[in-house]
Amino acid sequence: QVQLQESGPGLVKPSGTLSLTCAVSGGSVSSSNWWTWVRQSPGKGLEWIGEAYPTGSTNYNPSLRSRLTISIDRSKNQFSLKLSSVTAADTAVYYCVRGGLWDGFDPWGQGTLVIVSS
Amino acid sequence: QSALTQPRSVSGSPGQSVTISCTGTSSDVGGYNYVSWYQEHPGKAPKLIIYDVTKRPSGVPDRFSGSKSGNTASLTISGLQAEDEADYYCCSYAGTYTFGVFGTGTKVTVL
Repeated sequence: QVQLQESGPGLVKPSGTLSLTCAVSGGSVSSSNWWTWVRQSPGKGLEWIGEAYPTGSTNYNPSLRSRLTISIDRSKNQFSLKLSSVTAADTAVYYCVRGGLWDGFDPWGQGTLVIVSS
Repeated sequence: QSALTQPRSVSGSPGQSVTISCTGTSSDVGGYNYVSWYQEHPGKAPKLIIYDVTKRPSGVPDRFSGSKSGNTASLTISGLQAEDEADYYCCSYAGTYTFGVFGTGTKVTVL
């Protein structure tokens, strides 16, 4: 079965760039699935960040669009998130998931906490 | 785009049924049959329990069911069990500008 694992720095300085990678095992990022990022600020609800498709198509949360890039690396069987100009408001647990808004998000990675602080 | 509105909490005794509402607008919940529901236990990643309003992934008990009327989607848990105590979130497709929006979340307590 498909498993997802997030990795990346747990601490990012304000105004810096948050970069996370999601390694996919038990399946291929080239398959006909959307690959999505979701985050959850401490004690808060879930927020849809954006998604990418193997063809190169992407869809982003409009509130993050100007700072956000999601891409797929077929050679490494992984996908990534880059969020620039971060502030404390970007502190959250970031989850990578398989699936899109049309077919549900399943499975989820375990999540990784990213703190934005100097 | 505002989050979809869910009740903060619902509770029920073992064996009872509870229903969680998820209210949006005609631009999201009411406009598309792309509502999904997620169960989140403390410290764990969310788990998909309903997608496309009414569909249940394999392995999800049939006591979980989804429905929609107008701009409000609902998740019903029948025959409530202790392990159902968790937070529940709805999510809806919201068109080609906003794309995705989650609900505010509901804490289900089993009395």
